[in-house]
Amino acid sequence: NAGVTQTPKFQVLKTGQSMTLQCAQDMNHNSMYWYRQDPGMGLRLIYYSASEGTTDKGEVPNGYNVSRLNKREFSLRLESAAPSQTSVYFCASSEVEGDDQPQHFGDGTRLSIL
Amino acid sequence: LAKTTQPISMDSYEGQEVNITCSHNNIATNDYITWYQQFPSQGPRFIIQGYKTKVTNEVASLFIPADRKSSTLSLPRVSLSDTAVYYCLVGERGNTGKLIFGQGTTLQVKP
Repeated sequence: NAGVTQTPKFQVLKTGQSMTLQCAQDMNHNSMYWYRQDPGMGLRLIYYSASEGTTDKGEVPNGYNVSRLNKREFSLRLESAAPSQTSVYFCASSEVEGDDQPQHFGDGTRLSIL
Repeated sequence: LAKTTQPISMDSYEGQEVNITCSHNNIATNDYITWYQQFPSQGPRFIIQGYKTKVTNEVASLFIPADRKSSTLSLPRVSLSDTAVYYCLVGERGNTGKLIFGQGTTLQVKP
């Protein structure tokens, strides 16, 4: 039972390159989320998808795009990477959207942009 | 707007009970209290959630007084492997209305 799987686990990019982070969940959850975590800060929500076919901006969406490919998969794309996007990226899912819904997280993608 | 406050860090020793208190004076009637645990190099993991009184599971207990203005996460007999960051999420939302993760409490368990 894999839960939430993120690929790749590590990536180094040069400024201006593009990249897609992949996320898949096998729990039949409706809602999925992308966060970034920087040193000394909590997790910040980038985008979320309350259900298949919908996506919404989170707190820090600039520089990112997302695609809810199907119920299982939710990808995050950096079109033109910038050093400020160096971070650890976490994908999460929950059965449905709501404050009382526990989120299940992947183990993250560590992204460095030079 | 709810403001959640928890200690930045705590130290403990193996075998001790650890209590981490979260203050949320402006909690709303429909707010739940949710705790996550994050080990180094891993994503956060949901550990417990409650609305009022006491909730217990195999990992922790959550104590919530009647006024719900604070909550205490209790970890019985901690081990070195309980060293982690613990996040309390209660009604504090970002500009999108979604609950936000603060900086959490870094718990260091010593031998």
